[in-house]
Amino acid sequence: RKEVEQDPGPFNVPEGATVAFNCTYSNSASQSFFWYRQDCRKEPKLLMSVYSSGNEDGRFTAQLNRASQYISLLIRDSKLSDSATYLCVVSNQGGKLIFGQGTELSVKP
Amino acid sequence: EAGVAQSPRYKIIEKRQSVAFWCNPISGHATLYWYQQILGQGPKLLIQFQNNGVVDDSQLPKDRFSAERLKGVDSTLKIQPAKLEDSAVYLCASLGGGLAGGTSQYFGPGTRLLVL
Repeated sequence: RKEVEQDPGPFNVPEGATVAFNCTYSNSASQSFFWYRQDCRKEPKLLMSVYSSGNEDGRFTAQLNRASQYISLLIRDSKLSDSATYLCVVSNQGGKLIFGQGTELSVKP
Repeated sequence: EAGVAQSPRYKIIEKRQSVAFWCNPISGHATLYWYQQILGQGPKLLIQFQNNGVVDDSQLPKDRFSAERLKGVDSTLKIQPAKLEDSAVYLCASLGGGLAGGTSQYFGPGTRLLVL
């Protein structure tokens, strides 16, 4: 079993749609959780951290359920510029990042 | 603030040849990481340095891969000899402060390696 598993994708959605990404992790001792965004042929960039209380940044909402070891990312009113691969990331105490395989999103006009 | 620098950006070699990648982290960042990202997968950690010491190299194929960070700043990653399955993007990242979880882990642009 992979340490971090994501929806296989790709997701193809029209502009304005709401899209949800799901992620599960296997190590219950994991301490920090993130969503990264990776554009085609570019490096990953931090999109947002994820907290148990849930957090929102504009059109993006992230949720963490430690009991279920589940992380989600919701994008509302999707834009063409949201097209990218979204990586679920889990970190242990030492700062080691463990990445999921990524879910590709394609937003169409 | 300058970001993480990597070179070369692209490299094509034949199998069994050797190759080296270079990374210069953000100034003052103590922790440096090398990741391998195979097409269609997420990045996988190869090695983590804290200053010039190795923190985690459990997933580094030590029979062919080596890495060093002698002065605790720049780092090099070497593959000798390369195999076809080493074709990937090699990403370097750095983190400021201590070994805390990485809210501020910055990635370089990566080196794309193709082994023929």
